[in-house]
Amino acid sequence: AQSVTQPDIHITVSEGASLELRCNYSYGATPYLFWYVQSPGQGLQLLLKYFSGDTLVQGIKGFEAEFKRSQSSFNLRKPSVHWSDAAEYFCAVANDYKLSFGAGTTVTVRA
Amino acid sequence: DGGITQSPKYLFRKEGQNVTLSCEQNLNHDAMYWYRQDPGQGLRLIYYSQIVNDFQKGDIAEGYSVSREKKESFPLTVTSAQKNPTAFYLCASSVQQGSYGYTFGSGTRLTVV
Repeated sequence: AQSVTQPDIHITVSEGASLELRCNYSYGATPYLFWYVQSPGQGLQLLLKYFSGDTLVQGIKGFEAEFKRSQSSFNLRKPSVHWSDAAEYFCAVANDYKLSFGAGTTVTVRA
Repeated sequence: DGGITQSPKYLFRKEGQNVTLSCEQNLNHDAMYWYRQDPGQGLRLIYYSQIVNDFQKGDIAEGYSVSREKKESFPLTVTSAQKNPTAFYLCASSVQQGSYGYTFGSGTRLTVV
């Protein structure tokens, strides 16, 4: 089964600075990959997804992600972080019609 | 507006008691899912259902049970057999099997006291 790993448990970034969250997926055919965001005590919201085609994917809230097969990665980026981006971010991969999630990365935004 | 409603938001249970978490959707989605979330472990799949009157075990089904008698409802029962039930439980739905546009509920936090 495919799986994803998020190497960073917690990241702190200054407001206005750029953000990059890492996600690595296990070996397999071209995976279906996703990024979700979760505010405290809430459900998850889909930021973006990659199925095939253009390896740079644009999402909501100004986020983008790049699929790199050579590195087995699907990293999430945002050029300029806002205080409202403080949340937990999950990378996910499709597995037999279901989603498998990484452990998550918590983002703290400092003024 | 269409969405998923999970209730209650907070639930307290005494050890040895069964408890049922509600999940209702009005999105007309065929597939529904239950995930458990613990700090540092992400989301783990408990049960899923692709169609009414059918459901399958996920990765951590032991100590849990579900039913899918109606398309819009997918309740989860946490039984006394679940060794460590304190967690945040999330319900999700998607249009059909293989459709990955999951919609999530806002979750139920279960605490065993």
